[in-house]
Amino acid sequence: QKEVEQNSGPLSVPEGAIASLNCTYSDRGSQSFFWYRQYSGKSPELIMSIYSNGDKEDGRFTAQLNKASQYVSLLIRDSQPSDSATYLCAASSGGNTGKLIFGQGTTLQVKP
Amino acid sequence: DAGITQSPRYKITETGRQVTLMCHQTWSHSYMFWYRQDLGHGLRLIYYSAAADITDKGEVPDGYVVSRSKTENFPLTLESATRSQTSVYFCASSEYDRATETQYFGPGTRLLVL
Repeated sequence: QKEVEQNSGPLSVPEGAIASLNCTYSDRGSQSFFWYRQYSGKSPELIMSIYSNGDKEDGRFTAQLNKASQYVSLLIRDSQPSDSATYLCAASSGGNTGKLIFGQGTTLQVKP
Repeated sequence: DAGITQSPRYKITETGRQVTLMCHQTWSHSYMFWYRQDLGHGLRLIYYSAAADITDKGEVPDGYVVSRSKTENFPLTLESATRSQTSVYFCASSEYDRATETQYFGPGTRLLVL
């Protein structure tokens, strides 16, 4: 069964620190990877997408992909209390189905 | 720009009743998806659709029925609701191509089955 694994947390970091969120996936056919943020009681919203090995930066967020290790990460620099949320990692299902496989999410708490 | 909407946002029903959750998107995305989200299980795919009149089962389809007669609508029906179907339901859409499979989510429907 294709899986995406995340540590459920909570991950607690002080305000201003770097938060590091990690994810592994099992399907070597996955080509696209996504990080979604979900505030309590709200729907997931896309933060980052990454398709190639290496780093991709967008503001305070950096996504990292290592296909050989089947590993995806999200770094949040200068963490703010407003970053406190659950972060969902998703990988494409492969086989051109359009489906994504989601991890269970990591809860991040940024303490002032 | 409405994007993707779901109705109702909250629903209470009784065991055995039929319930339909609506999903509407204004982007003309080809793909649409229904997920349920429960504590400890994350997002689980119920059904998805690649285009009008094309639907397929996801991970947890039992007890659910979908249809897609128009590109913009993708209703989910619980034929005979059970307590185990109490959950938060999210609809998503995607303009899938080889470059991206980004999915955009609706606001969700919170369903309580008594």
